Amino acid sequence: GAVVSQHPSWVICKSGTSVKIECRSLDFQATTMFWYRQFPKQSLMLMATSNEGSKATYEQGVEKDKFLINHASLTLSTLTVTSAHPEDSSFYICSALSSTFTSSYNEQFFGPGTRLTVL
Amino acid sequence: GENVEQHPSTLSVQEGDSAVIKCTYSDSASNYFPWYKQELGKRPQLIIDIRSNVGEKKDQRIAVTLNKTAKHFSLHITETQPEDSAVYFCAASITGGGNKLTFGTGTQLKVEL
Repeated sequence: GAVVSQHPSWVICKSGTSVKIECRSLDFQATTMFWYRQFPKQSLMLMATSNEGSKATYEQGVEKDKFLINHASLTLSTLTVTSAHPEDSSFYICSALSSTFTSSYNEQFFGPGTRLTVL
Repeated sequence: GENVEQHPSTLSVQEGDSAVIKCTYSDSASNYFPWYKQELGKRPQLIIDIRSNVGEKKDQRIAVTLNKTAKHFSLHITETQPEDSAVYFCAASITGGGNKLTFGTGTQLKVEL
């Protein structure tokens, strides 16, 4: 149980285009999902917290108009990188909190990540 | 906000030896401390976690200790094996406080034959 998927697993795009990344909880409901960015050989940095049915909460320094987050259902959150530039190239990882697995209270279940390369 | 420091950044041990990774945190309200193993290009994998009401937790070759007073926690891996080679991250969060994870900077562990 507690499987999180991400799509696509990798994407290459041209500078100035927008890219949408999907994060799905496959076998549980996730009222809260998180989006992280990880640059090579660095740690995971939280970008935003996504709550179903409400606006995302962005961390300081993260442009909300550039990184659009939508959490329209209890199993799906999307991250759209708008007008992507080479400096946005990174590994984007989502995670989800389960409201179902009470034995894993607090545990975040991570997706496999999406490698974004902006040319 | 929370700040988590992690040491060392790289650690090389011989197979069979023990490895210890240490983290400190700044927010005394943090009460959940997971450890993750991440292989290159993969998702972080939870290997063990500890809550603030417990001082130590063990799972086979892996153990974690927590000192709330000093605000530090450590990961101990015994009888290391080559497959333990990976990057390890500690993290801290506050249950009910948004459950946001603040990650340490990571430790590249290399287990040599």
